[in-house]
Amino acid sequence: EVQLVQSGAEVKKPGESLKISCKGSGYSFTSYWIGWVRQMPGKGLEWMGIIYPGDSDTRYSPSFQGQVTISADKSISTAYLQWSSLKASDTAMYYCANTVLGYWGQGTLVTVSS
Amino acid sequence: QLVLTQSPSASASLGASVKLTCTLSSGHSSYTIAWHQQQPDKGPRSLMNLNSDGSHSKGDGIPDRFSGSSSGAERYLTISSLQSEDEADYYCQTWDTGKWVFGGGTKLTVL
Repeated sequence: EVQLVQSGAEVKKPGESLKISCKGSGYSFTSYWIGWVRQMPGKGLEWMGIIYPGDSDTRYSPSFQGQVTISADKSISTAYLQWSSLKASDTAMYYCANTVLGYWGQGTLVTVSS
Repeated sequence: QLVLTQSPSASASLGASVKLTCTLSSGHSSYTIAWHQQQPDKGPRSLMNLNSDGSHSKGDGIPDRFSGSSSGAERYLTISSLQSEDEADYYCQTWDTGKWVFGGGTKLTVL
């Protein structure tokens, strides 16, 4: 069974750092791009960036370039999304997905508030 | 520039059929797209990948009521025998070299 399992909800203060994860199983993790998608409250899906775990080739949406870092550890079939300095405007639900195979993580809610 | 265009809203009656449209930008009519459903307060779920020739591969457990078709740059999602749980946001999405693109989504109301 293919699964993408994300880490749990986070509550952070502005300026703090954060790294959330997405662990894949049931398929060849290194052979498919994994994407990160943001959904702000009441809004649509926004593509943030993608990574190919096989060689860690990473591409970013221009809207998110320089704002986040995407990485992967293929030895443990896990992709990551991280921030070095969170802002209140980063409050959103974040999803990882393998849309070629048609699988989404359950989402990680990130709340940034002082 | 690769863009996917969807109508913001659609509505249809319980038990009826509805056809949602996703339009690829000029020059991109051969692209495969994916349809995703997001029910209220839930995460997205992939429905199918839809090719330019209308062939499609549905995700695990997706009912036969959901089907896809294509015509030129248009990609369609048809839902027949509408049920209350079909009330949701529907997004199309495609892939290009080094990027993904999402449509703005269509909010489907089941009357």
